[in-house]
Amino acid sequence: NAGVMQNPRHLVRRRGQEARLRCSPMKGHSHVYWYRQLPEEGLKFMVYLQKENIIDESGMPKERFSAEFPKEGPSILRIQQVVRGDSAAYFCASSPPAGEKETQYFGPGTRLLVL
Amino acid sequence: TQLLEQSPQFLSIQEGENLTVYCNSSSVFSSLQWYRQEPGEGPVLLVTVVTGGEVKKLKRLTFQFGDARKDSSLHITAAQPGDTGLYLCAGAQARDQFYFGTGTSLTVIP
Repeated sequence: NAGVMQNPRHLVRRRGQEARLRCSPMKGHSHVYWYRQLPEEGLKFMVYLQKENIIDESGMPKERFSAEFPKEGPSILRIQQVVRGDSAAYFCASSPPAGEKETQYFGPGTRLLVL
Repeated sequence: TQLLEQSPQFLSIQEGENLTVYCNSSSVFSSLQWYRQEPGEGPVLLVTVVTGGEVKKLKRLTFQFGDARKDSSLHITAAQPGDTGLYLCAGAQARDQFYFGTGTSLTVIP
């Protein structure tokens, strides 16, 4: 049973470019969460999605950031016109649809470096 | 505003020593999770506690959920170098919202 998959693991972008981060949840999981982490810090919630719906995006900047979780395919976190301050590790987590949904399972993360 | 505060923030101990990490809040959570994260990796789930006063043991790790479901502790007995990592607590509330603690960075020196 494969765990949460994220790709790429490392991403380098120049200022002004776009970054696309992908997350495939665990099989059978329909809830996806995106977090951002700076070195030596905890995780900051960004957005919570279910299939085709954004449930809570209160932690995501209103500009340049967007997220989707289509009916088919992985969840995508998209950052347009990246700036140096976007450099961080971005983690995706998934949880089951019911019963055990209060437990999240994390992917290995995507480390974004903006030059 | 940080909903969950962890203490200490950094901890460096000798192999064989015992330690306790605390996760405190003024809010009530329906459940609380503890994760360990190693450099360059994602957090790995250690335990979920659900009931107030619940105690769970995982080998040398003992987790306790406060009676009021506002706080938790993680106690490690006879720490080993393999325990080194960032320990994160996370509280879940009814809206499927998870709040992560500030993290405790543990270094166990051989």
